[in-house]
Amino acid sequence: EAQVTQNPRYLITVTGKKLTVTCSQNMNHEYMSWYRQDPGLGLRQIYYSMNVEVTDKGDVPEGYKVSRKEKRNFPLILESPSPNQTSLYFCASSSRGVLYNSPLHFGNGTRLTVT
Amino acid sequence: QKEVEQNSGPLSVPEGAIASLNCTYSDRGSQSFFWYRQYSGKSPELIMSIYSNGDKEDGRFTAQLNKASQYVSLLIRDSQPSDSATYLCAVLSSNTGKLIFGQGTTLQVKP
Repeated sequence: EAQVTQNPRYLITVTGKKLTVTCSQNMNHEYMSWYRQDPGLGLRQIYYSMNVEVTDKGDVPEGYKVSRKEKRNFPLILESPSPNQTSLYFCASSSRGVLYNSPLHFGNGTRLTVT
Repeated sequence: QKEVEQNSGPLSVPEGAIASLNCTYSDRGSQSFFWYRQYSGKSPELIMSIYSNGDKEDGRFTAQLNKASQYVSLLIRDSQPSDSATYLCAVLSSNTGKLIFGQGTTLQVKP
């Protein structure tokens, strides 16, 4: 089954404790992206990747890191999480990227709480 | 002014009625527009895309685009309780090449 898999689904952590949210897709998609979703603010892009070893900042990259060493994986790293990073996070992929009007396929989301 | 604006709702319609969801955008050069549906606790899924002025129909869904007025809408005919969800409007920015999402409109279809 074609899918985008995120783990974990739920995560509660404390301020400053490094964490990684994994994202993997099995559709051989070139484009992958991370979003956060907050009430009243909609989906905001954190980072995106056009292909292996190619990443770029989205609209809200501060406090996050990403890497794209393999085509299928695009982990999101929070080196020192803070409470303002409490949010619902979605990983998404598309075959060629939004510039080509390729539809985004979203993972199931990770609800992160930082205390 | 937000780049993509939607009324957060909730929009409540009776079963069988037409639901009309609206979205305005600020980038006059935008050419690509999308509607995603998000059920509570789930991830967004693409239901419609539109690139030209006018109407595009797909089953019970019709997307309408008016670039002069910078306005895109989604009509859902014969609304069903299963259509109850949040509908996200997304616009491809001509300035940045990024997809900008509105905050979403919550639709409630009452039996």
